[in-house]
Amino acid sequence: SQQGEEDPQALSIQEGENATMNCSYKTSINNLQWYRQNSGRGLVHLILIRSNEREKHSGRLRVTLDTSKKSSSLLITASRAADTASYFCVLNQGGSEKLVFGKGTKLTVNP
Amino acid sequence: DGGITQSPKYLFRKEGQNVTLSCEQNLNHDAMYWYRQDPGQGLRLIYYSQIVNDFQKGDIAEGYSVSREKKESFPLTVTSAQKNPTAFYLCASSPKTGSSYEQYFGPGTRLTVT
Repeated sequence: SQQGEEDPQALSIQEGENATMNCSYKTSINNLQWYRQNSGRGLVHLILIRSNEREKHSGRLRVTLDTSKKSSSLLITASRAADTASYFCVLNQGGSEKLVFGKGTKLTVNP
Repeated sequence: DGGITQSPKYLFRKEGQNVTLSCEQNLNHDAMYWYRQDPGQGLRLIYYSQIVNDFQKGDIAEGYSVSREKKESFPLTVTSAQKNPTAFYLCASSPKTGSSYEQYFGPGTRLTVT
């Protein structure tokens, strides 16, 4: 099964700056989810965006989806040191019950 | 991590031994999943279960076995047939399988086999 590819693989910013992570994929999808993983911990669900949606917001998070370009982005505004984590783009492809996880973007927010 | 527990957090075994990882959920979810994560990698699906007494192989099921005798519990056995068992193992659950549902993850078990 095909996974999303996150870009960049690693990102280091200063507290207060915005962080943008991108995800590209190759096949059609039902929806796309973003998860966060703190080092050595389980994953936490952030946002689910359906294939017929273009943008969703949750607090300081903004996710966009462009199905024509087969890409999604996750924007974290006014970042905090506590946002330091790995962020995963997760696909659900048509006809599948399973989720496919990318390799993630490792975000470091420096105080 | 709330609602799903995995134990132990760290587990050490000698090569050639089978080992069982525990996963329990109190969320009344029908679906449960086991994933493996290697350093710098995403998650790979080992097994999943949609209902009690039923489970399906994921992408990397070889060398692993599971059971689903109770809705709350989905233990994973790493057998001696698994060639590279050292990894971080994550259990998850969702209300049902399918794309509309987010998955809730446990804290993980780090298995080291020497």
